[in-house]
Order: sequence, then structure tokens, then C-alpha cells
Amino acid sequence: DSGVTQTPKHLITATGQRVTLRCSPRSGDLSVYWYQQSLDQGLQFLIQYYNGEERAKGNILERFSAQQFPDLHSELNLSSLELGDSALYFCASSPGTSPKDTQYFGPGTRLTVL
Amino acid sequence: AQSVTQPDIHITVSEGASLELRCNYSYGATPYLFWYVQSPGQGLQLLLKYFSGDTLVQGIKGFEAEFKRSQSSFNLRKPSVHWSDAAEYFCAGLTGANNLFFGTGTRLTVIP
Repeated sequence: DSGVTQTPKHLITATGQRVTLRCSPRSGDLSVYWYQQSLDQGLQFLIQYYNGEERAKGNILERFSAQQFPDLHSELNLSSLELGDSALYFCASSPGTSPKDTQYFGPGTRLTVL
Repeated sequence: AQSVTQPDIHITVSEGASLELRCNYSYGATPYLFWYVQSPGQGLQLLLKYFSGDTLVQGIKGFEAEFKRSQSSFNLRKPSVHWSDAAEYFCAGLTGANNLFFGTGTRLTVIP
């Protein structure tokens, strides 16, 4: 158990809909990262937050957005969903922003868009 | 651009046999390299990481990796594989913004 929790575990929805994925980092970790794992794109970085502020963006679509709240949990919002958004979405957390900080991954949320 | 390449999509080994999973990197500066393991239905777990210094890195679960600058490689090894090692293994690097970029993964099957 990494200490990172993600809810829900599974999510099934229809095209055009909007969903919210939630992540609670390990106690004391200030950085949260979101990654997407799909058959087409593999594992890719989406976005990072540090202590409530956006720190880095990767291959995140404009239809997707995220935020980190004062209690440090984070939410990833996916809107106008398409079939191709079906994937496993991972959240990871680390203590800070040092490259030597280990990123600890949650179990993921599996999103299926029908 | 920075990248890591895992040339083997799938590897099958017998239980008790040795294992080597290949990873090649393309990096402008000193690379920060990682190996993660993903068991079925699970998140990713860090096996080991390399930042600098000793080129032979010890990790958890009996794994080790050797950084070879001359070959641009960071191969993962284990002397004796257990059935519980069956999983997907990902080599990864770190961008300047401290975000991970991953290889395509190598799926390991262990046969009795």
C-alpha cells in the first residue's frame, strides 16, 4: 500500500459526459501528479500540482482540468468524454519537487467511456 | 528529446532462472532513471532508481540495475525469478520539471 488513495476504482460513463477523479496523497506529501495509461499512448504524464499551485503540464487535453485543494487532495476533471479517453488514470504523490523525491502511485481509476 | 526505450514487449522465463530486462535511454544531461513494476490491477511500485554515483543500483525484491553510459543502457536484473515477479515492468526517466516519462513496458511471464 503506497498510502495514495484514488476514488472511484472504476467508472463507466457515456460519450459527452463529464467525470471527476479524486486523489488523496500520502500524508505530508505536497506534490500530486496525474498520469494516464492507455493502450494507444502508454503511460504519460498529464499535470502536476505542488501545494495548491499548478507546477507542470504534460500531454493534457484542453477538455481535462485539475486542481489541488487546501487539504492537498486533488481532482482531475474530464469533460466532453470521447471513446479514446478510456484509460487507467493514476495519481502519484511526492514530498516536494526535488528530482530525488520518490513518486508513490495510487491504485488508479479505470475509466470506461461507452 | 529525452526518451527511454524498452525493446522487449514480452519476456518469458522459467521460475528460478535469471532475468534481464533491457532499457535504453536518450538523454541530454545526467539521466535520472527508474524502474517501476505494475502487478495486474495494481498501481506502479518503484523498484529502484539511479541519480549518480555507483553504477550498480540495488532495489527491492532482489532486483538490481546497472547504469552503463557507454551503452546508454539501464538494464534490470534478478538472479532468480519467482512466480510472483510476473508483472509489467517500466523503465522511466525524469524531465527537467521532475515529471516521469515512461518506456512502453515489458511484460514478464514466469513459467513453472
